[in-house]
Amino acid sequence: DQQVKQNSPSLSVQEGRISILNCDYTNSMFDYFLWYKKYPAEGPTFLISISSIKDKNEDGRFTVFLNKSAKHLSLHIVPSQPGDSAVYFCAARGSGGYQKVTFGTGTKLQVIP
Amino acid sequence: EPEVTQTPSHQVTQMGQEVILRCVPISNHLYFYWYRQILGQKVEFLVSFYNNEISEKSEIFDDQFSVERPDGSNFTLKIRSTKLEDSAMYFCASSGRAGNSPLHFGNGTRLTVT
Repeated sequence: DQQVKQNSPSLSVQEGRISILNCDYTNSMFDYFLWYKKYPAEGPTFLISISSIKDKNEDGRFTVFLNKSAKHLSLHIVPSQPGDSAVYFCAARGSGGYQKVTFGTGTKLQVIP
Repeated sequence: EPEVTQTPSHQVTQMGQEVILRCVPISNHLYFYWYRQILGQKVEFLVSFYNNEISEKSEIFDDQFSVERPDGSNFTLKIRSTKLEDSAMYFCASSGRAGNSPLHFGNGTRLTVT
């Protein structure tokens, strides 16, 4: 049962343009959402998160949008840079500090110079 | 910036052998986790650990697996009798006190079972 889904396995974007990565979830108990970036042979690196009480969170070039009614979130990267090329994982957890984080399958982003 | 460190970076073992994967979480964190990623697949939850006991475990985390926090800094994952299908990247993670606190991951141990 895939509770967190990233339907696009890959995405190519020109440098300087916007990258939009999408994620859907099914578990209505999730109330904290995260995006991680992963390079080969490294661990996931935390990028940005959003609580279910918000619909937008911004950090520099990264913005996460949450649509609770649609159970959908997206990560916008603008402007995209070649160094952003990596696999991006959407993740979600329920409330409580000990709760596990459930990962999506990832989207491989390639930013073309 | 504090980070989660894992050793070894690569472990090769024969089927049936015991392995211990080691992690040093971020020092003021309270929640500890192990995840794994089989090549080309998603990052899967194995176990969470809080207040010196397992909080939650997945169906992957069977009797062959155990975790321990033997002192104030280390967090270990033991696989008692490795199988070929245990070959994967194993990631340790920790998170802080706040309820909505992200998990911070180490760079992983690549376990190869031959």
